Amino acid sequence: SQQGEEDPQALSIQEGENATMNCSYKTSINNLQWYRQNSGRGLVHLILIRSNEREKHSGRLRVTLDTSKKSSSLLITASRAADTASYFCATDALNNNDMRFGAGTRLTVKP
Amino acid sequence: IAGITQAPTSQILAAGRRMTLRCTQDMRHNAMYWYRQDLGLGLRLIHYSNTAGTTGKGEVPDGYSVSRANTDDFPLTLASAVPSQTSVYFCASSADPSYNEQFFGPGTRLTVL
Repeated sequence: SQQGEEDPQALSIQEGENATMNCSYKTSINNLQWYRQNSGRGLVHLILIRSNEREKHSGRLRVTLDTSKKSSSLLITASRAADTASYFCATDALNNNDMRFGAGTRLTVKP
Repeated sequence: IAGITQAPTSQILAAGRRMTLRCTQDMRHNAMYWYRQDLGLGLRLIHYSNTAGTTGKGEVPDGYSVSRANTDDFPLTLASAVPSQTSVYFCASSADPSYNEQFFGPGTRLTVL
């Protein structure tokens, strides 16, 4: 069963706008990660946030984590057409080999 | 080789046939993983290996087996393929199981008829 669930399932925005994707999970976690997948390719790690962190930045990416609500958000600022991809959250719960992925958010950035 | 590679890129297989998907990494990572990705379900862990010589079952291990004879290679075998194993298979590795950041291969698209 999936641990993380992304919301929305699909998002379409114009270039230059910000994109926000959310992830909710069910059980307590050690950390949460966000990955990106271009069509027909493997996943690429974007950012990892630990359970004792609340916010993390990497370039145009901003991730927040609210462990009390069991949720995380990924914000992409000043989006570009090249940001078009699927974005997945992944959590590890009781053990590090049980990392669970959500079904993903499909982001389309129109030029 | 740079990173993690998978072979074949795609395969069409008759039901009942045996198939091995290959995965090789040159990053000297200790941990390796096999996932399947199905539309609407995200990625699901099939098997993993924390270090050479050890393997473990993931979320959906039935019908699959793995081996880890050395650090670099982690083949996934379908002993007798069934249509429900039609999927895209991704191999991944991480420096250490506790580090968590995983590096993914390009995937193998498998169709079982």
